[in-house]
Amino acid sequence: NAGVTQTPKFQVLKTGQSMTLQCAQDMNHEYMSWYRQDPGMGLRLIHYSVGAGITDQGEVPNGYNVSRSTTEDFPLRLLSAAPSQTSVYFCASSRALNSGDSYGYTFGSGTRLTVV
Amino acid sequence: SQQGEEDPQALSIQEGENATMNCSYKTSINNLQWYRQNSGRGLVHLILIRSNEREKHSGRLRVTLDTSKKSSSLLITASRAADTASYFCGAGSYQLTFGKGTKLSVIP
Repeated sequence: NAGVTQTPKFQVLKTGQSMTLQCAQDMNHEYMSWYRQDPGMGLRLIHYSVGAGITDQGEVPNGYNVSRSTTEDFPLRLLSAAPSQTSVYFCASSRALNSGDSYGYTFGSGTRLTVV
Repeated sequence: SQQGEEDPQALSIQEGENATMNCSYKTSINNLQWYRQNSGRGLVHLILIRSNEREKHSGRLRVTLDTSKKSSSLLITASRAADTASYFCGAGSYQLTFGKGTKLSVIP
């Protein structure tokens, strides 16, 4: 199994450009989320999804859109890139909580984005 | 605001010593999880402790949870150079919020 796959690994954008960060998982996980990691700030939650067709905002959603049309994919769209969005982006997935139980996350290897 | 906050920010020890990291959180949680991140890599899940558990072991890892103090600790026994990494706690239910991490350096 590949786990969580993020593409691209590196990207440089110009201010104002848009792009989509891809995230795919092959573990049939229902829960998926996006985090950004900045020096001195730790990981901050951008958006998350508890299943296909259901998304919600996290701590820092401004400037980002998500959609979840399938269980496997959870792309993150930057609408108009700004230098403040320079960061490392991580996608994570986890099993559903139908039984009220909790499971660990599987993280992707990250996308390092620079906005100039 | 961040739910999990790790302490200390950095820790340097000799190989073979034990390493203890702490995590505090703010609101009621369903579970607390610890992750390791090697430089330039994604986070790797280490251990999960549920809110009704007080202690959990996995190999050289020991995690405690005190819900009355809203705190957790991660103990790595007999540390190795390969344990050098950043360690994060994630607190919540299915939606986890993380702190800034503890950077552990194990000196051979």
